[in-house]
Amino acid sequence: AQSVTQLDSHVSVSEGTPVLLRCNYSSSYSPSLFWYVQHPNKGLQLLLKYTSAATLVKGINGFEAEFKKSETSFHLTKPSAHMSDAAEYFCVVSGGNTGFQKLVFGTGTRLLVSP
Amino acid sequence: DGGITQSPKYLFRKEGQNVTLSCEQNLNHDAMYWYRQDPGQGLRLIYYSQIVNDFQKGDIAEGYSVSREKKESFPLTVTSAQKNPTAFYLCASSQGLAREGTGELFFGEGSRLTVL
Repeated sequence: AQSVTQLDSHVSVSEGTPVLLRCNYSSSYSPSLFWYVQHPNKGLQLLLKYTSAATLVKGINGFEAEFKKSETSFHLTKPSAHMSDAAEYFCVVSGGNTGFQKLVFGTGTRLLVSP
Repeated sequence: DGGITQSPKYLFRKEGQNVTLSCEQNLNHDAMYWYRQDPGQGLRLIYYSQIVNDFQKGDIAEGYSVSREKKESFPLTVTSAQKNPTAFYLCASSQGLAREGTGELFFGEGSRLTVL
């Protein structure tokens, strides 16, 4: 079975400072991992995904994440926050050896960006 | 523009009434999904469909029903049997069922249902 834990429900940063959103996962199989972003009252949009290729994954809008198997982590980072980054971010895990690869969503981290 | 259209965006319902949420996609995707989102929780899967005329229950299917008569359409009915229907409902689609979890989900903008 898969599970994912987002360690912070809220993260506050100032514009121009680095962003770190933490995610730990558990999976019985080699997982695929995703980060999605959701702006208020909107659907989710894929930021980036890891699917057993390079462990450092680059996504849209300057975000990146590093898959660390030894730490079972997939933290999301960005060097410099922008006001438009304020949103909710979901870490997602998927994996299995057969059948429907259900996505398991974390509970989300709300990113607040102050001027 | 290709995408997923959900309607209505906001819906109010009296207790005991059924309500149907619409989801249409023009991405030519085979797989479609319905998720429920509650504050402070991740998305929970209600139903999914791999192909026309076929659908499967997700984790929280009780009190909901779906149909898949056309590839582009996957409506969700919230029945009076759903005990706590007030939530944000999201429809999504993907190219396939992502056997290796490599498939990206494309989401609609959601429908917010409030039971009065």
